[in-house]
Amino acid sequence: QVQLLQSAAEVKKPGASVKVSCKASGYTFTGYYLHWVRQAPGQGLEWMGFINPRGGRTTYARNYQGRLTMTTDTSTTTVYMEVSSLRSDDTAVYFCARDVSGTFDFWGQGTLVTVSS
Amino acid sequence: EIVLTQSPGTLSLSPGERATLSCRASQNISSSYLGWYQQKPGQAPRLLIFAASSRATGIPDRFGGSGSGTDFTLTISRLEPEDFAVYFCQQCGALPYTFGQGTKLDI
Repeated sequence: QVQLLQSAAEVKKPGASVKVSCKASGYTFTGYYLHWVRQAPGQGLEWMGFINPRGGRTTYARNYQGRLTMTTDTSTTTVYMEVSSLRSDDTAVYFCARDVSGTFDFWGQGTLVTVSS
Repeated sequence: EIVLTQSPGTLSLSPGERATLSCRASQNISSSYLGWYQQKPGQAPRLLIFAASSRATGIPDRFGGSGSGTDFTLTISRLEPEDFAVYFCQQCGALPYTFGQGTKLDI
């Protein structure tokens, strides 16, 4: 069965970086784009960008340009999402999600990233 | 950027009733690129509807989607206790992908 398993919660100081992993299993890893979506406490869903695991091409939302990096490791069927220069308003649950024709049919369990001094 | 506006913000109903949730887009969206999700507290969103009206795998037939252009609707024909949650619409027709702000379905 399809599973997306994310790394554990993180606590970071302002200005630091965080790298969250998403390990995919149960399907052909290179056959589907993977997206990242975040949700601040009590708020809605915010799309961040996506990566094509076949080749590593990325597309990021404009407001993350320069702070966001997505990478892929086909040998371990894992994608990574790194946010640098963290601010308090980056505190959120970060989800990875599999793309099927633009909607997201499977999601990771979410990773809480807390940015606090 | 395509802005999705959902209404109402909160919908208070009882089990067995019919729920109608609205999602209005700031620009035309092809119906192929509109999805609906359900989210319960502490959980990831769950895909209900893709391409405006197609139910995702395993979704009960009491969930239905409709609409085109800028106006889309999610209908739950007879509410079950497990349907009380937050619902989001999402467009994937243009970058950046965007979500509506959500409708909370309350008992």
